[in-house]
Amino acid sequence: AQKITQTQPGMFVQEKEAVTLDCTYDTSDPSYGLFWYKQPSSGEMIFLIYQGSYDQQNATEGRYSLNFQKARKSANLVISASQLGDSAMYFCAMREGSKYGNKLVFGAGTILRVKS
Amino acid sequence: NAGVTQTPKFQVLKTGQSMTLQCAQDMNHEYMSWYRQDPGMGLRLIHYSVGAGITDQGEVPNGYNVSRSTTEDFPLRLLSAAPSQTSVYFCASSDETGVEQYFGPGTRLTVT
Repeated sequence: AQKITQTQPGMFVQEKEAVTLDCTYDTSDPSYGLFWYKQPSSGEMIFLIYQGSYDQQNATEGRYSLNFQKARKSANLVISASQLGDSAMYFCAMREGSKYGNKLVFGAGTILRVKS
Repeated sequence: NAGVTQTPKFQVLKTGQSMTLQCAQDMNHEYMSWYRQDPGMGLRLIHYSVGAGITDQGEVPNGYNVSRSTTEDFPLRLLSAAPSQTSVYFCASSDETGVEQYFGPGTRLTVT
């Protein structure tokens, strides 16, 4: 079974509008972490935001926020006030357990295109 | 800090050749990992290490070897390159909290 599912292969959003990128996950481990990364056309992986399974509040980093719904096992990324530079591939990833901080499982990604 | 560095940036190999992809970090991180990214897909874990002398297999380890003799370096060896290993390879490091994973710029490998 897929551990990370991103159901939107591609999304369009108008500049200055907000957009939500979906991510659902599957784990039986009570301790886990969820990540979002941005990969622009240049290819580098840029860390955006992190949510721990025990964190009470939804994570926020500037224009990025993570809508964490634990019971539904979803961790959607919300980008507010989209900019042209937000056009990129976005990956959701999960780390299971707390012992091995460097074992990430990635989703297939969502391509976001911001229109002017 | 240079962060995570990878060499080379690009490489073309013939089937059957061997080579080593280099990865180094200067953040004194214990955790390091290698991932591959195939077109249209997310990253998949090849091998990882939780400290010098300690390595283990990830999701797609076949055809690759690793060793970790120092905290700083984590080379990935392709033993006998195959066209199926054409991919972009990323090295990453993190501290023991694993909250932030620092990725290198990637190596684009083509096997003909």
